[in-house]
Amino acid sequence: AQSVAQPEDQVNVAEGNPLTVKCTYSVSGNPYLFWYVQYPNRGLQFLLKYITGDNLVKGSYGFEAEFNKSQTSFHLKKPSALVSDSALYFCAVRDGAAGNKLTFGGGTRVLVKP
Amino acid sequence: EAGVTQFPSHSVIEKGQTVTLRCDPISGHDNLYWYRRVMGKEIKFLLHFVKESKQDESGMPNNRFLAERTGGTYSTLKVQPAELEDSGVYFCASSSTPLIFRGETQYFGPGTRLLVL
Repeated sequence: AQSVAQPEDQVNVAEGNPLTVKCTYSVSGNPYLFWYVQYPNRGLQFLLKYITGDNLVKGSYGFEAEFNKSQTSFHLKKPSALVSDSALYFCAVRDGAAGNKLTFGGGTRVLVKP
Repeated sequence: EAGVTQFPSHSVIEKGQTVTLRCDPISGHDNLYWYRRVMGKEIKFLLHFVKESKQDESGMPNNRFLAERTGGTYSTLKVQPAELEDSGVYFCASSSTPLIFRGETQYFGPGTRLLVL
């Protein structure tokens, strides 16, 4: 069975400071990892994904994520947070041996304060 | 290109009534997925269509839920009769090829917020 954990319900950060949203996963096969963001009253927007290759993945809006196989983690990062980054962030995984469905973490609310 | 669209954006119904949600995928996307997030918990997979065929419906909670995709274009998700625990946000997503081939991205719609009273 595949699972995803986002250990922090909320992350507070001051504008201009680095932002990290944590994600760990468990799969039996090779993982395909995704980050989505949900802004208030909006749907899920795709940010970035790791399929294979370079462990550091760059995505939309200046976000990046690092795949760490030994720690089974895929933390989302942004060097300098903006107030407009305040949103709900979801990590998702697809297990290469478990069909097409995505398994999501519980979500982490990010609040960037001016 | 237009993204995934869902209708209605909100629905408030009473327990025992029927509700039908609609999803229009991105044009040309053969793969369509339904997910839901209830009570602020994790987003859970419901089912996956490839064109008009149900590829995986392992996440459908019970037989009160019926999904269709006639003609392989838009899809509907009917809940009949609705129960209180069905309240939540129902998301639809689409992709051009299944994840199994290239880790293809699923693009999500804005969701339908369902409240069962």
